Amino acid sequence: DAGVTQSPTHLIKTRGQHVTLRCSPISGHKSVSWYQQVLGQGPQFIFQYYEKEERGRGNFPDRFSARQFPNYSSELNVNALLLGDSALYLCASSFPSTGELFFGEGSRLTVL
Amino acid sequence: GEDVEQSLFLSVREGDSSVINCTYTDSSSTYLYWYKQEPGAGLQLLTYIFSNMDMKQDQRLTVLLNKKDKHLSLRIADTQTGDSAIYFCAGQNRDDKIIFGKGTRLHILP
Repeated sequence: DAGVTQSPTHLIKTRGQHVTLRCSPISGHKSVSWYQQVLGQGPQFIFQYYEKEERGRGNFPDRFSARQFPNYSSELNVNALLLGDSALYLCASSFPSTGELFFGEGSRLTVL
Repeated sequence: GEDVEQSLFLSVREGDSSVINCTYTDSSSTYLYWYKQEPGAGLQLLTYIFSNMDMKQDQRLTVLLNKKDKHLSLRIADTQTGDSAIYFCAGQNRDDKIIFGKGTRLHILP
């Protein structure tokens, strides 16, 4: 069975550019969460979506946005990239009942 | 909001037991989790404990929960070189979002 898949795995952007990261959840999971993990830190919550509705937003600026599609896949968009946006972006899907998150391998974004 | 604290480093000799500790602030957490992250990889769920339990054992892993002190620990018996990784404690905040600690890097000594 396929786990959570994310694309791209690595990408390099320059300041001011825009990035779109994609995530496909485990089949049957309707909830997708996005986390940012800066080197040496724990994952920081960005967004959660359930049934295409935003269920929560972390302490991130409006440059960060996301959406969930009818097939439960999701995109994370970041505009006007800053050097500090360099991080591993993790997507996780879950069953709402236990909340346990199943993570993808992440998309490593480097902003130059 | 929820805050999860854990020590940053732990060194253990191969074959010994490792105990990784965590404290959390939000007593409304229904579930508490332990995740493992190996270099360059995503997070792998190791185990979780329901808040009305005080202990859960799963093969070499034992989770202890002291709800009064808001203290969670993960014990790894017979630590192996493959256990070398970063271990994250996580709990749910009042909005049911999962919040992670900064991780404990477990180093195995030969």
